[in-house]
Amino acid sequence: EVQLVESGGDLVQPGGSLRLSCAASGFTFSSYWMSWVRQAPEKGLEWVANIKLDGSEKYYIDSVKGRFTISRDNAKNSLYLQMNSLTAEDTAVYYCMRGGLHSMDVGGQGTTVTVSS
Amino acid sequence: DVVMTQSPLSLPVILGQPASISCRSSQSLVHSDGNTYLNWFRQRPGQSPRRLIYQVSKRDSGVPDRFSGSGSGIDFTLKITRVEAEDVGFYYCMQGTHWPLTFGQGTKVEIK
Repeated sequence: EVQLVESGGDLVQPGGSLRLSCAASGFTFSSYWMSWVRQAPEKGLEWVANIKLDGSEKYYIDSVKGRFTISRDNAKNSLYLQMNSLTAEDTAVYYCMRGGLHSMDVGGQGTTVTVSS
Repeated sequence: DVVMTQSPLSLPVILGQPASISCRSSQSLVHSDGNTYLNWFRQRPGQSPRRLIYQVSKRDSGVPDRFSGSGSGIDFTLKITRVEAEDVGFYYCMQGTHWPLTFGQGTKVEIK
C-alpha cells in the first residue's frame, strides 16, 4: 500500500523558515517524480513544486521561486521542502504527492504551515 | 498560466441519480507528444486529494466504473452515473500539459 507521511509543519513568524519532510513507503520511490501541493484555508488546490526521479530537474510555481527548495533522498525514500522567507500567503496544508511530470495520483495526510506573528 | 474553470461550483445530487461536472481550460490541453493531460481528483472531507481519472478518460485502479471522463481540446466532463454517499466531497480538474500544473476551483458535491 502506498503511504506518504508528511511532517514538519508548524506556526512560524513572517520571514521565518521551515523544512517539510515526506516519508514514502509501499512503492519504488526512486521511480517516481514527486510533488508538493498546498491548500490554503477554505481554498482549492495549488501545485507548488516537483522534482524528477533523480533530483536532476526541479520546477516551482512562480510565487515560491527563490524561496522554496524541493529535494529528495532516494536512499531514505524521502522528499523535502525547504521554505524560507515565509509570508502569510504561504499558510496552507502542504501535501506530498506521488508523481508530477504530467499528473499526481495519491497524497499523504498533509502537514499544516501557519505563518503569523 | 492555463486557467481551469469548473462548473458548477456546487452540485447537490440525489442518491442514485447521475451527476456531471464540467471543466474548461484557457488553452488546448493537447501536448506535443499527442496526449491530453487532463486529470480529475476527489478530495473527501478531511482527506488528501486522490486522482480518479487521468489522460481525460483513464480510470485509476480501484475507481468504480460509475465514474467516467470525457472531452477533448479545452472542454472536459466528469460524470457519475449513480451517485453514492461515499462520493461526497470536492472534485478538481487539473491540467498537466502546460507548466505550471494548474487546478480548477473545485466543485462541491453533496447529497440533496
